[in-house]
Amino acid sequence: RKEVEQDPGPFNVPEGATVAFNCTYSNSASQSFFWYRQDCRKEPKLLMSVYSSGNEDGRFTAQLNRASQYISLLIRDSKLSDSATYLCVVNPSGSWGKLQFGAGTQVVVTP
Amino acid sequence: DGGITQSPKYLFRKEGQNVTLSCEQNLNHDAMYWYRQDPGQGLRLIYYSQIVNDFQKGDIAEGYSVSREKKESFPLTVTSAQKNPTAFYLCASSIGQGARIGYTFGSGTRLTVV
Repeated sequence: RKEVEQDPGPFNVPEGATVAFNCTYSNSASQSFFWYRQDCRKEPKLLMSVYSSGNEDGRFTAQLNRASQYISLLIRDSKLSDSATYLCVVNPSGSWGKLQFGAGTQVVVTP
Repeated sequence: DGGITQSPKYLFRKEGQNVTLSCEQNLNHDAMYWYRQDPGQGLRLIYYSQIVNDFQKGDIAEGYSVSREKKESFPLTVTSAQKNPTAFYLCASSIGQGARIGYTFGSGTRLTVV
């Protein structure tokens, strides 16, 4: 089993619609969680950190469910510019250099 | 503006050749990392460094070498021992325990074996 698993998609979303997807992680001791956005052939960029209480940043909402070991990302009012691959990133232990990356979920927003 | 600069953007390597990928940051970050990304896979850690003159192997260090002689610089050498080097290489840096606040990535180097 992979340490961080994501549905690769693609999730095809009409412009203005809402899309949500999850990421599961295997290490129950994981401490920090992030969502990164990666455009085609570009570097990943930090979208948001995921806090235990859940957090919102504009149209983006992240949730953490420790009991079931998953995090989620919800995008409301999708824009064409939201088309990208979203990487789930987990720090399993709080130690240096041990961030674990999922393979990403592709989102395609269509006009 | 502060950031991480990777060069070159594209690199072609012949069989049996060593090549060095450059990574420079002016963010005054302590930690630096090298990742490899292959299609359909998550980023995999090659090497990381917490401080100058110190570095640690990641999950896939075989066939790679690094140095950290300056805080700003963390070059990666892909040696001829790396049998499948074609990939997208990403350098990242972080303040202190970056695992708590995330990484900043460079724009990457695409390495192709010809």
